[in-house]
Amino acid sequence: DAGVIQSPRHEVTEMGQEVTLRCKPISGHNSLFWYRQTMMRGLELLIYFNNNVPIDDSGMPEDRFSAKMPNASFSTLKIQPSEPRDSAVYFCASSFGRAQETQYFGPGTRLLVL
Amino acid sequence: AQKVTQAQTEISVVEKEDVTLDCVYETRDTTYYLFWYKQPPSGELVFLIRRNSFDEQNEISGRYSWNFQKSTSSFNFTITASQVVDSAVYFCALSERTGNQFYFGTGTSLTVIP
Repeated sequence: DAGVIQSPRHEVTEMGQEVTLRCKPISGHNSLFWYRQTMMRGLELLIYFNNNVPIDDSGMPEDRFSAKMPNASFSTLKIQPSEPRDSAVYFCASSFGRAQETQYFGPGTRLLVL
Repeated sequence: AQKVTQAQTEISVVEKEDVTLDCVYETRDTTYYLFWYKQPPSGELVFLIRRNSFDEQNEISGRYSWNFQKSTSSFNFTITASQVVDSAVYFCALSERTGNQFYFGTGTSLTVIP
């Protein structure tokens, strides 16, 4: 079975540009999570969807960040406009059930904003 | 206060040595779940184990074993006869019955020297 799929795997962009990260969760999973990993702050939960509905977006840094989940098999995380401090690895994870269940992570998107 | 503390930032061992990675957690919930994930140099996060708070039995899986002690709020991970392929960052995590969060520790970077 396919795991969580993320695209692109690497993204290099210039400050001010819009960045869109994509995620396809494991089929049958109904919870989806976006995380950001940096050396300074470790793994941070950005947003959590359950049954395509955002449940907790308290980790979204600011209005420049937005996330959508239009259906059970696709989610996007958008940064507009991007800034150098957004450079990080962004992980998508999915689980069957709620946040207490085991989360399975995608390979991550390594974002560099110049 | 940190929900999950991994006091060991970096550990180096020589191949074939045993090594224990410490994890101390904090929660007021009586029902909670503990996890370990491995992040090898390639960057993906690999699920290793999930434990619920009612199951204090130690778990062994090949060279890996986990010691869960509620009395000390610890969930330690031991690798027996370490191998170079065990070199990775290992994360301990906690989720509570109430709430929507996975609380990750800061990780322990393990280097196994051949």
